[in-house]
Amino acid sequence: AQKITQTQPGMFVQEKEAVTLDCTYDTSDPSYGLFWYKQPSSGEMIFLIYQGSYDQQNATEGRYSLNFQKARKSANLVISASQLGDSAMYFCAMREGGFGNEKLTFGTGTRLTIIP
Amino acid sequence: EAGVVQSPRYKIIEKKQPVAFWCNPISGHNTLYWYLQNLGQGPELLIRYENEEAVDDSQLPKDRFSAERLKGVDSTLKIQPAELGDSAVYLCASSLRQGLTDTQYFGPGTRLTVL
Repeated sequence: AQKITQTQPGMFVQEKEAVTLDCTYDTSDPSYGLFWYKQPSSGEMIFLIYQGSYDQQNATEGRYSLNFQKARKSANLVISASQLGDSAMYFCAMREGGFGNEKLTFGTGTRLTIIP
Repeated sequence: EAGVVQSPRYKIIEKKQPVAFWCNPISGHNTLYWYLQNLGQGPELLIRYENEEAVDDSQLPKDRFSAERLKGVDSTLKIQPAELGDSAVYLCASSLRQGLTDTQYFGPGTRLTVL
């Protein structure tokens, strides 16, 4: 079974609208971390937001928020007021286990295109 | 603060030739990672270093790939000999455990094309 599933290969969104990128994960470990990265055409993976499995509140970083639904094993990324510069590939990733298990498992990504 | 530096950014070689990639992590980051990213896929871990020690190299094809991290700072990933299927982006990342987070920060990658 895939550990990280991103079911949206591509999305087109009008500028200034909010967008939700889906991510579901599979793990039996009670301790894990979930990450979202942005990869523009330049190739660099840019860290956006982190959610720990024991965090009580959903993570937020500026225009980015993570809709963490633990029982459903989903960790969707929400981008508010989208901008043209948000056009990129977006990857969801998971670290299983506690510290000392820093291996990240990535999904296949979602290509987001913002339309002017 | 400078980010993760990688060189070269692009490399084109013929099959069976050797190739090397270099990575300089963020200052103070003791953990360094090499990832392989095939076209249309997410990155996959090749090797992880804690300081000078390779603590996870289970995904590294050791018949042709090798890596080193001398003095626990810079790292080099080598392929010898390269095969057509090695064409991909090679990403380096580094992290420092701070409190409850261990976020990995990535470099721009090296895009390898094997002809």
